[in-house]
Amino acid sequence: GQQVMQIPQYQHVQEGEDFTTYCNSSTTLSNIQWYKQRPGGHPVFLIQLVKSGEVKKQKRLTFQFGEAKKNSSLHITATQTTDVGTYFCAGWGKKLVFGTGTRLLVSP
Amino acid sequence: NAGVMQNPRHLVRRRGQEARLRCSPMKGHSHVYWYRQLPEEGLKFMVYLQKENIIDESGMPKERFSAEFPKEGPSILRIQQVVRGDSAAYFCASSLRDRELDTQYFGPGTRLTVL
Repeated sequence: GQQVMQIPQYQHVQEGEDFTTYCNSSTTLSNIQWYKQRPGGHPVFLIQLVKSGEVKKQKRLTFQFGEAKKNSSLHITATQTTDVGTYFCAGWGKKLVFGTGTRLLVSP
Repeated sequence: NAGVMQNPRHLVRRRGQEARLRCSPMKGHSHVYWYRQLPEEGLKFMVYLQKENIIDESGMPKERFSAEFPKEGPSILRIQQVVRGDSAAYFCASSLRDRELDTQYFGPGTRLTVL
């Protein structure tokens, strides 16, 4: 079945450092979504990418969808303590399959 | 607009009891999804429903678990004869249109603890 893996599983950075999480699917995706989940909270939708090679920016966050539509990345520039949480990608194949998540910890 | 609502937020059950989790989608949304999240893990799709219809239940265990989304009222995820392994956070999400074309909005979740 369709699998979506994310790396790294966990990253601890100092405030101001950059952070990137990578998402890889075993199958071609029709679109990919990114969610953020704060500790003890629920997933909150961040963005959706649909087109091959698409790049979207939200302030310090940059999202990219691979040319083959099988991978994606989320890059955060100059992290802040408010960025703490787990970032999930979710890919649409036959159903929405969530990645394994990358847990980000930011120290002040 | 109220978001997706779930209740209860926390539920404690003893082994063998039944758990009923409720989800009210966002106003105007007719597509509901249930996910399970084990501690420190990702979300696992369980079931996708539209009003009065189960569209995809491929992620739901065949035994003890059932879901419904009646014409009136919330969607309900029912777990019979709970076991300790059912302890998890159960999230409901809803969307406005066909699932591939629209964003899913998540509720706050129900944290189920089985003693």
